[in-house]
Amino acid sequence: NAGVTQTPKFRVLKTGQSMTLLCAQDMNHEYMYWYRQDPGMGLRLIHYSVGEGTTAKGEVPDGYNVSRLKKQNFLLGLESAAPSQTSVYFCASSLSTEAFFGQGTRLTVV
Amino acid sequence: GDSVTQMEGPVTLSEEACLTINCTYTATGYPSLFWYVQYPGEGLQLLLKATKADDKGSNKGFEATYRKETTSFHLEKGSVQVSDSAVYFCALFDYNTDKLIFGTGTRLQVFP
Repeated sequence: NAGVTQTPKFRVLKTGQSMTLLCAQDMNHEYMYWYRQDPGMGLRLIHYSVGEGTTAKGEVPDGYNVSRLKKQNFLLGLESAAPSQTSVYFCASSLSTEAFFGQGTRLTVV
Repeated sequence: GDSVTQMEGPVTLSEEACLTINCTYTATGYPSLFWYVQYPGEGLQLLLKATKADDKGSNKGFEATYRKETTSFHLEKGSVQVSDSAVYFCALFDYNTDKLIFGTGTRLQVFP
């Protein structure tokens, strides 16, 4: 009963490097979301998807790209990491309105 | 656009004290409203929800009522425990945009 799984759990990047965060869910959910969590800022929506092959911008999409090629996976990409992208990233999925969250990815950009 | 505003924390209480965490929202249409809880080092978990005006969500002694006239969804508990110490997030789901929007979170610290 995995639920929502995020990989990796921790990562340190140098400025300018690229990486992809993977979110996988085994609940056959249509909706998937990527958030970043920063002190005093709560969770801010980066991008989201309402189904396979679809993506949409959230509140803070700049510097990130996403893809939803398969229903169960939602990838978040950083093409050229910046220190301002140091954060904890959470993925969530939902069938209707109740969302299930992964354990988070702590990313540090130096 | 949609937004959720929560009272700033931390909220510090003694065990068995009453808790209220305020939450107000701005949204188009009639969103569903939620409270999520985050324990240290973990992701968020749904605590309770309400899908229409005047609905009351409840779970584990917590409750919140969807007040359309004041656009509020305040979280309450009559007697908190040390194990309730966590960060609480108010959230809304906007059916027009499919966005799930969160507030900034309120840290609750309960001391014995």
